[in-house]
This record gives sequence, C-alpha cells and structure tokens, in this order.
Amino acid sequence: LAKTTQPISMDSYEGQEVNITCSHNNIATNDYITWYQQFPSQGPRFIIQGYKTKVTNEVASLFIPADRKSSTLSLPRVSLSDTAVYYCLVGDPFMDSNYQLIWGAGTKLIIKP
Amino acid sequence: EAQVTQNPRYLITVTGKKLTVTCSQNMNHEYMSWYRQDPGLGLRQIYYSMNVEVTDKGDVPEGYKVSRKEKRNFPLILESPSPNQTSLYFCASRTANTGELFFGEGSRLTVL
Repeated sequence: LAKTTQPISMDSYEGQEVNITCSHNNIATNDYITWYQQFPSQGPRFIIQGYKTKVTNEVASLFIPADRKSSTLSLPRVSLSDTAVYYCLVGDPFMDSNYQLIWGAGTKLIIKP
Repeated sequence: EAQVTQNPRYLITVTGKKLTVTCSQNMNHEYMSWYRQDPGLGLRQIYYSMNVEVTDKGDVPEGYKVSRKEKRNFPLILESPSPNQTSLYFCASRTANTGELFFGEGSRLTVL
C-alpha cells in the first residue's frame, strides 16, 4: 500500500488559487491518484482522480509529473465553502479488488475572507 | 438522487447492548465498505464486501460483524459494544470498475 505525505494545514484567501501537493514516493505502476474533500462530520466526497499528466473537471485540476512520485491538486478561485480537509490517496481501483487505501490526516485548508 | 444512507446518524448506547448500523445504497454498486474515523487516525477500514454474500475483513474488524444478503444493504453489527468502539462510522460504495467511493453521511456512535 502506498503511503502519501501532504501538508497538515494551509491557509488562503477567497478568490485565490490554492495548490496542495502530495508526495507518494512508492506509488505502484497500476496505482491511480485520487483526492477527496471532507467537511466536519460528513463523509468524504470524491474530487478528482488521475493516472498521469493533467486531469481537469468542473471543480479542480490534478497535475501529475512524469515520475508520478507527487501530485498537485489545484483549486481555482476558492471560496469560504472550500474550507475542508483534503485527502490524497493512491491505489489501484481495477486490479485491487478491495481497493484498499491509506487515509492519512489530510490537509486542513482554511479559506479566509 | 444517488446516495448512500446510514442509520442512525447518532446513537448513545451502553456497553454490551447489541446494535446495528444500517447502510443502503441506490446505485447498484457491487462494492461496499465500512470505515471508522477517529481523531488523529484517519479512516480505517472495518469490513468490505465485493458483492452479495461476499465479505472480508479490513484493517480493524475486531468487535464487528457484517452481512450482505442484498446488493443494496450492508449493515454493521456490534454484538457487544465497548467504549473503544466510540467513533464516527462511514459506509461507502463503488462500482467494480471505478475508483470513486461514495460515502454516507456518517453515524456517530458513543458507547458508555
């Protein structure tokens, strides 16, 4: 199982772009990188998933360099409602029948007015 | 609306009194799983199920039981709850061919 390392906390301001970087040095060939968002006392919510290069959806972008040992979640023009904990996870959802993931402490993102 | 529904959302009980936390999903997902979340420890997997009648232990299965008699339901059973099972519990589901987990709203359990 691949473990990830991400900052414990980050602060930013409304309207800014926020980048959260995650390190996953022992990522396996078949592993995908997935980011989740969690608000207090709610279940995590899927944000984005990628394997390499860049993935973009309506809420975020995910940048993955060629060596795949790290990844960066980019949140454009954040608002107060983006204040949450963000988790970076790696795992193989296709070959690993359990899709076992290691959930660390995540990054607590605080957006200020 | 696609969702994973857990009940109860909040429960206070006493040591040794059997309880069941229900989980139901309406997305026809094959895979379902239970997690517990404790401060400083992240989410830890309790049990998972790949399909009907197929269940297996996760990382912290002691003190818990599950069953999967129907595709949509995956109840978590605490036969004899103890205070160390006080936690926030989440049920999740996904299809077999994606990595997107859908989580329920959580069930906060307190065992006195």
